[in-house]
Amino acid sequence: AQTVTQSQPEMSVQEAETVTLSCTYDTSESDYYLFWYKQPPSRQMILVIRQEAYKQQNATENRFSVNFQKAAKSFSLKISDSQLGDAAMYFCAYRRTTSGTYKYIFGTGTRLKVLA
Amino acid sequence: EAGVAQSPRYKIIEKRQSVAFWCNPISGHATLYWYQQILGQGPKLLIQFQNNGVVDDSQLPKDRFSAERLKGVDSTLKIQPAKLEDSAVYLCASSFRGGVTYNEQFFGPGTRLTVL
Repeated sequence: AQTVTQSQPEMSVQEAETVTLSCTYDTSESDYYLFWYKQPPSRQMILVIRQEAYKQQNATENRFSVNFQKAAKSFSLKISDSQLGDAAMYFCAYRRTTSGTYKYIFGTGTRLKVLA
Repeated sequence: EAGVAQSPRYKIIEKRQSVAFWCNPISGHATLYWYQQILGQGPKLLIQFQNNGVVDDSQLPKDRFSAERLKGVDSTLKIQPAKLEDSAVYLCASSFRGGVTYNEQFFGPGTRLTVL
């Protein structure tokens, strides 16, 4: 069974600085998707960035980028130039691409605090 | 474009009572997901619908939870009878399709259930 592990329950970063959130996963599949979702306090969850496992190039979305290490089964999120609005829970998630139910599996989350 | 709608936003009930949650997905989205998010944990898929058919309900406690998606549009999740451990946020999400081809999953605001 696939699992997703986020070992940092909470992280803090100074405004305008860079922070990296860690995620590891376990799967026997060779092709899958990995995601980072953001859940602000009392607001709905939104997709931050997506990585397809067959792509070697790391995904980037503006200030957000990932470091995808397939062999190590590691998928970290780097937030550059942190802003107060980045404060939220961040969840790492996995979804298979082969036939099946395409169930999303989420980690336990990392709470990011941004200090002014 | 209207997002995923959920109601109620908050619900407090006594244990052994019944409760129902409603979700209206984004127009045209064939796939609908119900997740349970217990405090301090990531979302856990309870049930996934493709149109009005169930694709995955492997983690749905079927002795007390039920869900339906009549006409393949909105959906209702019911708990009967509720237990203390059912206290959680219930998230609804939808995507255009849930197959091999990736389609972004959009979340609703959630319903926070407290069982006393």
